[in-house]
Amino acid sequence: KQEVTQIPAALSVPEGENLVLNCSFTDSAIYNLQWFRQDPGKGLTSLLLIQSSQREQTSGRLNASLDKSSGRSTLYIAASQPGDSATYLCAASEDSNYQLIWGAGTKLIIKP
Amino acid sequence: DAGVIQSPRHEVTEMGQEVTLRCKPISGHDYLFWYRQTMMRGLELLIYFNNNVPIDDSGMPEDRFSAKMPNASFSTLKIQPSEPRDSAVYFCASSPGTSGGRSYNEQFFGPGTRLTVL
Repeated sequence: KQEVTQIPAALSVPEGENLVLNCSFTDSAIYNLQWFRQDPGKGLTSLLLIQSSQREQTSGRLNASLDKSSGRSTLYIAASQPGDSATYLCAASEDSNYQLIWGAGTKLIIKP
Repeated sequence: DAGVIQSPRHEVTEMGQEVTLRCKPISGHDYLFWYRQTMMRGLELLIYFNNNVPIDDSGMPEDRFSAKMPNASFSTLKIQPSEPRDSAVYFCASSPGTSGGRSYNEQFFGPGTRLTVL
């Protein structure tokens, strides 16, 4: 059974730093992996989706990588800003269905 | 595109009352998902539909919960009777599905309905 883990549960860093958020999964047979952002009291916004055949995806200051062999994905945020403060969740999709297996999220605080 | 639309945004009701949550998916999306989010349990998939047909409802907590999708542009999640432990944020999401032989399962979420059962 696929399990997705995000460590740490919370992270606080000063503005301007580059940072990495971690996502681990137990079954390498994933179809793709998605990173989402959730602001307090709001819905989830899809940030990046990496297909199983891809190694990374980039959008602006965000870069997500996928290493199926090690069961890891990382979300790299360059030059962090206070507006990046949110909870970041990763979710793995398994073959042949559209269900997502969710991590518990990392709450990120960027200090001005 | 307006994105996924949910109503109401907030619902406060008393235990035992019927609650109906509504969702309009993104036009052209073949998949619709209902999730529940709580601090204790995180994000849980309740049920999902493909082309208006329920595919997997194993996440529905109990018989008090039911979901329908009468057409491609509308879905409801009903709780009858509601209980205080149903208090949570309920999200609807939609996904494009398959097009040209390729699968597109990126999910797009609505703003959620915050349900409080007193």
